[in-house]
Amino acid sequence: QKEVEQNSGPLSVPEGAIASLNCTYSDRGSQSFFWYRQYSGKSPELIMFIYSNGDKEDGRFTAQLNKASQYVSLLIRDSQPSDSATYLCAVNDYKLSFGAGTTVTVRA
Amino acid sequence: EAEVAQSPRYKITEKSQAVAFWCDPISGHATLYWYRQILGQGPELLVQFQDESVVDDSQLPKDRFSAERLKGVDSTLKIQPAELGDSAMYLCASSYLPQGNEQFFGPGTRLTVL
Repeated sequence: QKEVEQNSGPLSVPEGAIASLNCTYSDRGSQSFFWYRQYSGKSPELIMFIYSNGDKEDGRFTAQLNKASQYVSLLIRDSQPSDSATYLCAVNDYKLSFGAGTTVTVRA
Repeated sequence: EAEVAQSPRYKITEKSQAVAFWCDPISGHATLYWYRQILGQGPELLVQFQDESVVDDSQLPKDRFSAERLKGVDSTLKIQPAELGDSAMYLCASSYLPQGNEQFFGPGTRLTVL
């Protein structure tokens, strides 16, 4: 059974701070990793994907992958109130397995 | 911008009734997925289609759920009879490539079973 674990949250950060989200996975064969943002009552929206070890930056978002430690993270720099949402980590081998999500609240 | 379409957006039904959800994927996406998301949890895959063929339905409760994609484009997910525990968000997603890469989700159908 593939497992994806995320820090339970909720995570509350002040506006302008860095929000750090963590995700671990159990299947060493996993090849690709995704972060989705889900606003309350809405569907998940793909914001980042990463396939190789190291960092990948896209605007204020940075995804970090360490396959040896089976760990993937998402950093949100200069957090804005509009970043308040649940962030889902998803891990792909032959299908996507999702974590339960971490809810982030950015305080103005 | 291309989007996954789903209908209805909301559905309220009584237990033992039949319900059906419709999904139209992004044009050109051969792979279509149906997920169920219970409040506070991540989406769980129910069924995956590659064109008109089912490639994974291992988590689909086949005694009451069925899914089809007859022409390899749009798809229907049916529940009959609905049970109280089926209350959830039903999400459709599509991807250009199989193996789940870069899936794009529709707006979902919120089902409430009374």
